[in-house]
This record gives sequence, C-alpha cells and structure tokens, in this order.
Amino acid sequence: DGGITQSPKYLFRKEGQNVTLSCEQNLNHDAMYWYRQDPGQGLRLIYYSQIVNDFQKGDIAEGYSVSREKKESFPLTVTSAQKNPTAFYLCASSRRPSYSNQPQHFGDGTRLSIL
Amino acid sequence: AQSVTQLDSHVSVSEGTPVLLRCNYSSSYSPSLFWYVQHPNKGLQLLLKYTSAATLVKGINGFEAEFKKSETSFHLTKPSAHMSDAAEYFCVVSGSGTGNQFYFGTGTSLTVIP
Repeated sequence: DGGITQSPKYLFRKEGQNVTLSCEQNLNHDAMYWYRQDPGQGLRLIYYSQIVNDFQKGDIAEGYSVSREKKESFPLTVTSAQKNPTAFYLCASSRRPSYSNQPQHFGDGTRLSIL
Repeated sequence: AQSVTQLDSHVSVSEGTPVLLRCNYSSSYSPSLFWYVQHPNKGLQLLLKYTSAATLVKGINGFEAEFKKSETSFHLTKPSAHMSDAAEYFCVVSGSGTGNQFYFGTGTSLTVIP
C-alpha cells in the first residue's frame, strides 16, 4: 500500500546535538511538507518542497533545515539552534502543489524530546 | 488571507447521540476545505473535503459537512457517535498560489461518553 513513512517514532536529543527525522513517501507525490504540532495548537508549517532540489521556508523555519534530493524523501534536521524542539513532527505530501484542492496525506509522526 | 476558527476546543457527547464540531473560515476567494481526524500519537487522516462541488459533503465513518458560504462555515456532523470517534479533529482551509499551503484550526477534542 502507498503511504508516508516517518522514522523513528520516538527520538531524543541531547543539548547541542543535531538530529534528523526521516520522511519517505511512495505515493509519487510532487510536494512534501513538514509540520510541528504542540499541545493545544494546530499544525505549524516548518518547510515545504514542491519539486526535487527546491524547498521554501514555512512559518517557523528557524532552527530547522531540510533537503530534497529525491522525490520520495524529505528529511528534516533539527539543529542545536532550535532551543525548544520538544514537539510532535508530522510529514505530509500532496499531488500537483499548484492545485489547492488536493488533500495532504500524513505520516504517523515522530515525537522528539530533550534529554 | 486564509484562516480557520474552530469554535470549540473540547466537545463531549454520549455514545449514540449526534456530533457537531463547528468551523468558521476566512478566505479571500473560493476555498477548499477539509476535515481531518487525529488519534493519539498518530498522523492526520482525511475525513472529507469540499472543493466547490456539492455543498453537502459525505466522508468516511459516517461523517458529513455542509459548506455554507453566507455563514463562512463548514461544520462537521455525525448522526450517532461511536466510542471510536473519540479523537482530535482539525478543520483546514487550503491556500492559493504556490505550495498548496494548509491553514489549520487549533483542533477540537471529541470525547464520547459510554
């Protein structure tokens, strides 16, 4: 079955450490997205990519970085510059990013905590 | 500009009674609207979407929503709640232009009382 796979499911970060969250999709979608979810808040967009080798900052990009070297993969690195990284991170993808009526499909998330 | 307001942060219903989760939106053009459900420690699952076709949209698991342009609302309903419906629900409006950006409401937590 097609879908989005996020790994690991749980991740712990030490002070000053960079960590990378994996997101892989086999839906043949062009666009991919990273969101951060905090309790009591909606999802906030970190980065998105419409095509390979291109990506744009979302609303809360500071302290994060991404790459899009393959259509299927959109890893997110949480750098040491992100001072409050504890959150639930969700990856999503969609078809034809220029069409706003396309739904986004979500992975099952990675929960990141500070040691 | 687009935005979404979910009018209730928490809703409690008894099993077998109707569910109503309220959503108002703001959009400068004809919007696409979605409802998603999220169970604990899971991703979001699409329940239904409105994309300028029929104003009454039927989704999965017996949910439906009605688009009312005059009221800028897109409320989610279900005739009879099941225990398995207990979850977080998000109303989403989709943006125009590049990126297909989604604008999320802050969510409504649904509790189903046995």
